[in-house]
Amino acid sequence: NAGVMQNPRHLVRRRGQEARLRCSPMKGHSHVYWYRQLPEEGLKFMVYLQKENIIDESGMPKERFSAEFPKEGPSILRIQQVVRGDSAAYFCASSPSGTAERGYTFGSGTRLTVV
Amino acid sequence: DAKTTQPPSMDCAEGRAANLPCNHSTISGNEYVYWYRQIHSQGPQYIIHGLKNNETNEMASLIITEDRKSSTLILPHATLRDTAVYYCIVRVTNAGNNRKLIWGLGTSLAVNP
Repeated sequence: NAGVMQNPRHLVRRRGQEARLRCSPMKGHSHVYWYRQLPEEGLKFMVYLQKENIIDESGMPKERFSAEFPKEGPSILRIQQVVRGDSAAYFCASSPSGTAERGYTFGSGTRLTVV
Repeated sequence: DAKTTQPPSMDCAEGRAANLPCNHSTISGNEYVYWYRQIHSQGPQYIIHGLKNNETNEMASLIITEDRKSSTLILPHATLRDTAVYYCIVRVTNAGNNRKLIWGLGTSLAVNP
């Protein structure tokens, strides 16, 4: 019974490149959430998706960032033309429903470093 | 943006109870309080959550004041492996009935032998 799987664990990109972060939710979970964490800070909400739908993207920067959760396969957070300020840990969480009566299960994160 | 305030750090002796306070004076009636912990930059681990009533599970107890303006997470018998950053979080619901977790800066708990 695997938990939330994120890959890669570490990602290094040069400024201007694209970063693709993948998240496979727990089995049976159809709700996925992406959060970003800067050093010494708490997590900040980015986007909430259900299969094939973006439900809430109020925390996503308007430019360069996009997210999807296709019918088949993992959820993808894509950052185009990365800049140094995008360096952070990106966490994905999943839940079986929007009410998450048993809490949200988080993955181990992807640590993005932009050089 | 954060709806919670916590002391930045606390110490606890191994085997004793750890009581972690949290203030959330602006919490609304339908907003839950969640607690997560993060061990050395790993993914956050769910501990417990509640709305009005006190809650207990195998990991911890959550005591919420009657006015809901503050709460306390209790680890009854802290071990060295409980050393982590503990986040008190409010889950907000927007006009579209979508929910998200609003995180603060957390409390860094050090359990000492």
